[in-house]
Amino acid sequence: DMKVTQMPRYLIKRMGENVLLECGQDMSHETMYWYRQDPGLGLQLIYISYDVDSNSEGDIPKGYRVSRKKREHFSLILDSAKTNQTSVYFCASSFLFANTEVFFGKGTRLTVV
Amino acid sequence: SQWGEENLQALSIQEGEDVTMNCSYKTYTTVVHWYRQDSGRGPALIILIRSNEREKRSGRLRATLDTSSQSSSLSITAAQCEDTAVYFCATEASSGSWQLIFGSGTQLTVMP
Repeated sequence: DMKVTQMPRYLIKRMGENVLLECGQDMSHETMYWYRQDPGLGLQLIYISYDVDSNSEGDIPKGYRVSRKKREHFSLILDSAKTNQTSVYFCASSFLFANTEVFFGKGTRLTVV
Repeated sequence: SQWGEENLQALSIQEGEDVTMNCSYKTYTTVVHWYRQDSGRGPALIILIRSNEREKRSGRLRATLDTSSQSSSLSITAAQCEDTAVYFCATEASSGSWQLIFGSGTQLTVMP
């Protein structure tokens, strides 16, 4: 069963708290991604990972960091969350070549108050 | 910056009508992805069209790609209420590192 699993699905945090969003995939994909989605802005790439410990910044990496210690697992960390990081975060994965489908998780809705 | 962008943000049509959504992109790509996102879900691929295909069909869906004008379109024939969703085009960018760049999406509402 090809799946990208995100935990948690909903999260409320206070400003300044640390946030950990977790993502797993069961397709042995080399590449994994973190996107955020805000109304009217589509999906913006935060980080991309090409394999274990091989991570690159996307378009909006400021305020985020990532960890990939196993191929099937990719974490997004917000150190000292800010209210403008309230958003829906999507994890995705794909094989490591072009012209390939990207599979998305169901998303995590993060609210920072 | 976003390299793919839909021309219309929202479309509302009646069930049974045909509809076309357009996407223009700024940077060279050899493939355009079209994704559909249902409310509360992540995007899911519906059509992937390569530069040597110009047109690709899948059921009631038809995608076109014109690399000379850097544009792509997604058409739905005889739209159904269940086609209501946000549709994104995405282009592949390979400067530096490979990534998929999404447009801002088109909200399609099909009314009964």
